[in-house]
Amino acid sequence: NAGVTQTPKFRVLKTGQSMTLLCAQDMNHEYMYWYRQDPGMGLRLIHYSVGEGTTAKGEVPDGYNVSRLKKQNFLLGLESAAPSQTSVYFCASSYSGVQTQYFGPGTRLLVL
Amino acid sequence: DQQVKQNSPSLSVQEGRISILNCDYTNSMFDYFLWYKKYPAEGPTFLISISSIKDKNEDGRFTVFLNKSAKHLSLHIVPSQPGDSAVYFCAARSTSGTYKYIFGTGTRLKVLA
Repeated sequence: NAGVTQTPKFRVLKTGQSMTLLCAQDMNHEYMYWYRQDPGMGLRLIHYSVGEGTTAKGEVPDGYNVSRLKKQNFLLGLESAAPSQTSVYFCASSYSGVQTQYFGPGTRLLVL
Repeated sequence: DQQVKQNSPSLSVQEGRISILNCDYTNSMFDYFLWYKKYPAEGPTFLISISSIKDKNEDGRFTVFLNKSAKHLSLHIVPSQPGDSAVYFCAARSTSGTYKYIFGTGTRLKVLA
């Protein structure tokens, strides 16, 4: 039982490059979330999903896209990376919207 | 507009003493509050929660107090241990609309041996 895993752990991108961050959970959770953490800003919700095939915008969705084709996976895409997207990205999942969220270990992204 | 605020970015406490971490919120629709603990290079892990129908919840060395009239909650750790050194985030959930959590900016606790 791995819980929530994130791939990759660390990545360096050049401005304008694209990439996809993968989040996987093996707890059969319905809800999945993508957050970013920046110094002095706490965790901010980018996008979330309330079930397979659904996605919704969070607080800071601009510049990101997501997909939830399978219940266990939640992908976060950056189509054209910008230095402002340098951050640590956390994925989380929960059984329902009212249940505790379980977090992955994070992906550190540096955009030059 | 920061709806959940942790005004102390850091706190140092001697081992064995009490640690008190504070959190203020502005949205009266918040009905559920949580504390998460985060070690470096790891994701946050759930610590303790409290519903708005209660004013206190206790779990071992950790107690969370909620003062709804002041829109304030606090986490007490007694006794503090060096392993408690971490960043602590409070989070709040509103049932109006969607079940999303709003996180505070975190307080870094250092417990000195």
